[in-house]
Formats: sequence, structure tokens, C-alpha cells
Amino acid sequence: AQTVTQSQPEMSVQEAETVTLSCTYDTSESDYYLFWYKQPPSRQMILVIRQEAYKQQNATENRFSVNFQKAAKSFSLKISDSQLGDAAMYFCAYRSAGGTYKYIFGTGTRLKVLA
Amino acid sequence: SQTIHQWPATLVQPVGSPLSLECTVEGTSNPNLYWYRQAAGRGLQLLFYSVGIGQISSEVPQNLSASRPQDRQFILSSKKLLLSDSGFYLCAWSRDRGWGNYGYTFGSGTRLTVV
Repeated sequence: AQTVTQSQPEMSVQEAETVTLSCTYDTSESDYYLFWYKQPPSRQMILVIRQEAYKQQNATENRFSVNFQKAAKSFSLKISDSQLGDAAMYFCAYRSAGGTYKYIFGTGTRLKVLA
Repeated sequence: SQTIHQWPATLVQPVGSPLSLECTVEGTSNPNLYWYRQAAGRGLQLLFYSVGIGQISSEVPQNLSASRPQDRQFILSSKKLLLSDSGFYLCAWSRDRGWGNYGYTFGSGTRLTVV
């Protein structure tokens, strides 16, 4: 069975600085998708960025980028120029390319942005 | 555009009372639908998913049940609530096979407190 691990329960970053959130996963599959979701205090889950495992190029969405290391089964999220609105819980998620479309989530990292 | 509605937003129910949470999706057809629970300080636990009307798969044996009476309607129910059913419940939808890389779209969640 696949697992997703986020080893950092909480992180802090100074406004305008860069922070990296870690995520590792375990799978025997070769084709899958990885995601980062943001959950602000409103509790609404928002998709931040996604990565297809067959793509070697790291995904980028504005200030958000990932470092996808397939061999190491690592999928970290980098937030550049951090803003106060980035403060939230961040969840890493895994989804098989086939099968029943279930997502496996990590336990989350709470990001605090300091003014 | 597609939207997902989930209600109620908050609910306080006594132990032993019934439960009905509803989720509807607009602007798409034949979505995959999911119910997740998020306990305090923990990640998201998949409870049920559905790939079509009347098709329900349960992930965790528990006091809850789910139904999909219409294509875009997903209902989470219980006949008798337990204290352990307290938590934050999230409904989500995704496109079907072939669109896995688009990720989930989540509803705004229901905070359930069983007293």
C-alpha cells in the first residue's frame, strides 16, 4: 500500500523569504500523480500544484514550485517570496494513475508566516 | 464552471442521534465523489467514494454510511452518532478516468461536534 509522510508538523518563514516543505512517499507503482493542497483557516482545501510522475520537469505555479525526485520518492514544495496569505496547513497527496482514483494524504505541515 | 456545495457548515448533535450531510456538484456529469474526515491535528481519512449512481465503496469500517441517489448528489449518513464521529467532513469530486492529474475539488466542509 502507498503511504505519504510529511515529517514537519510545523514550519515558520519570514515574510518575503523562501521556505521548503518536505514530503516523501512510498509506492511500487511507476505511474502516479502528486499534489500539494493548501488548507487556510477557512478550512477550504485548495489545490496548489500537481506533478505527473512521468514528467521529469518540476512543476511550477507562480511562487510555488516542486522538487520532484522520483528515485528518492521525494516531493517537496518550495514557496518563494512568502506572503501572509500563505499561512495555512499544507497537505501532500498521492494518487495512482489507474485504479479507483483514491488520494492518499500526508498528515500536513502547518506553515506560519511571520511579518 | 463546476461548483461543489456542501451543507450544513456546522452541526452539533447529541450522541445517538441520526446524521445526514449532503454534497452536490454542478456543472459536470458523472463525477467521482468522495467523503473524507479530518480529525483534529490529523490528515484526511477517506471514508467513502463513488464512481457512479448507487456505487459506493467504503474504506473504513465504521458507524457511517454513504449513498448516491443522483449523479451529482452524495450523502453521508449515520443512524446513531458516536462521540468519535466528531470531526471535519469534506466532500470532494474529481473527473473520471483519464483526468486524474486534475486533482480533487473540495467542498467547504462540515464541522460536526457530537456531544
